[in-house]
Amino acid sequence: EPEVTQTPSHQVTQMGQEVILRCVPISNHLYFYWYRQILGQKVEFLVSFYNNEISEKSEIFDDQFSVERPDGSNFTLKIRSTKLEDSAMYFCASSGGSRTDTQYFGPGTRLTVL
Amino acid sequence: AQTVTQSQPEMSVQEAETVTLSCTYDTSESNYYLFWYKQPPSRQMILVIRQEAYKQQNATENRFSVNFQKAAKSFSLKISDSQLGDTAMYFCAFPPGNTGKLIFGQGTTLQVKP
Repeated sequence: EPEVTQTPSHQVTQMGQEVILRCVPISNHLYFYWYRQILGQKVEFLVSFYNNEISEKSEIFDDQFSVERPDGSNFTLKIRSTKLEDSAMYFCASSGGSRTDTQYFGPGTRLTVL
Repeated sequence: AQTVTQSQPEMSVQEAETVTLSCTYDTSESNYYLFWYKQPPSRQMILVIRQEAYKQQNATENRFSVNFQKAAKSFSLKISDSQLGDTAMYFCAFPPGNTGKLIFGQGTTLQVKP
């Protein structure tokens, strides 16, 4: 069964460093998303991406964040200068041919900023 | 603002018994859909069930079923014959405006006891 994959599973970085979180969505999906979950809290939407551009972004998704689909398979989230409060679980999700299709989530990347 | 509320932070149930997790949401839309996701200790987000608001019939997936009350804006999840593997955090989610962006409730931690 197709699934969303994410790498790395755990990333440790120093404050101020840049990190890139990688996702491979399900191959025939067209809509891509990033969500964040700070430990013990609810899951929060960051950004949605369709047709090689951002469809919607939350207030959390400020200038420190960017997304890219560099080729036909990968979808990345870059945080330019990490802060302590960026420590969280980051989930990638994808859905099929419509915004109303069900989103399937990857296993997440746990980001720890020291 | 459109919100999703899960009023039970923690619940427990004996193995083989039935438990119901509650969720309410706020929207002025008439056509939408709702989800329950499960997050086990591995922190992977797993789709449990999806409900279309225009459907009168409550969705069912094996031991999982929903009680969808559109007028009351209530969307509860019933787990029958609970199993130890059902131990997880459960999130109710709703995409306002059918934009794809999911808004999550705060989650309910369910412990299934042997």
